Amino acid sequence: GNSVTQMEGPVTLSEEAFLTINCTYTATGYPSLFWYVQYPGEGLQLLLKATKADDKGSNKGFEATYRKETTSFHLEKGSVQVSDSAVYFCALSWGMNYGGSQGNLIFGKGTKLSVKP
Amino acid sequence: SAVISQKPSRDICQRGTSLTIQCQVDSQVTMMFWYRQQPGQSLTLIATANQGSEATYESGFVIDKFPISRPNLTFSTLTVSNMSPEDSSIYLCSVEDPRGGAFGQGTRLTVV
Repeated sequence: GNSVTQMEGPVTLSEEAFLTINCTYTATGYPSLFWYVQYPGEGLQLLLKATKADDKGSNKGFEATYRKETTSFHLEKGSVQVSDSAVYFCALSWGMNYGGSQGNLIFGKGTKLSVKP
Repeated sequence: SAVISQKPSRDICQRGTSLTIQCQVDSQVTMMFWYRQQPGQSLTLIATANQGSEATYESGFVIDKFPISRPNLTFSTLTVSNMSPEDSSIYLCSVEDPRGGAFGQGTRLTVV
């Protein structure tokens, strides 16, 4: 079946450290891939997305590249800040462009990131 | 992207009672989705709601427990029926949009 696997947390880093959160997926066809972020006490927000192989999504200094050959979409940031402390969810969807799908998202389990000053 | 208003934002309910959660979207959308996020867990899709038809439920979720209404293209409700402490979760509605899915703020439900 279709699924998303992301690295277990929690992840604790010092400010300005490099961040990688691994995400791999299993899916038929070529879904769109997403990273969502949930800051403490807030709702889920889209962080970035990529809709086809080799696309790179980026936002707020975060990047992720859609790697079809490794079925991965790892999230990276070169220098994290305390304000990046949140739970990060990797997800996939066939969205509105795939006729056979209802467009719902399949989420990974989430990775909690804590950044210390 | 679509703006979603969800209410209530939180509630504490007695076991055996029911709670109806409302989701209002600022634009017309074909499909709305209801998710559950149990404590410390990821989001799990409960059902997909299309206007004018029965909701489609995912495995493990049934209409008697989670009845859904979708009276028009901008509104939906999810009812959590005959609640037990195991239903304590965050419930979120979502719609599909070109950016990749917009979510409401969620309803934090605690069943005591």
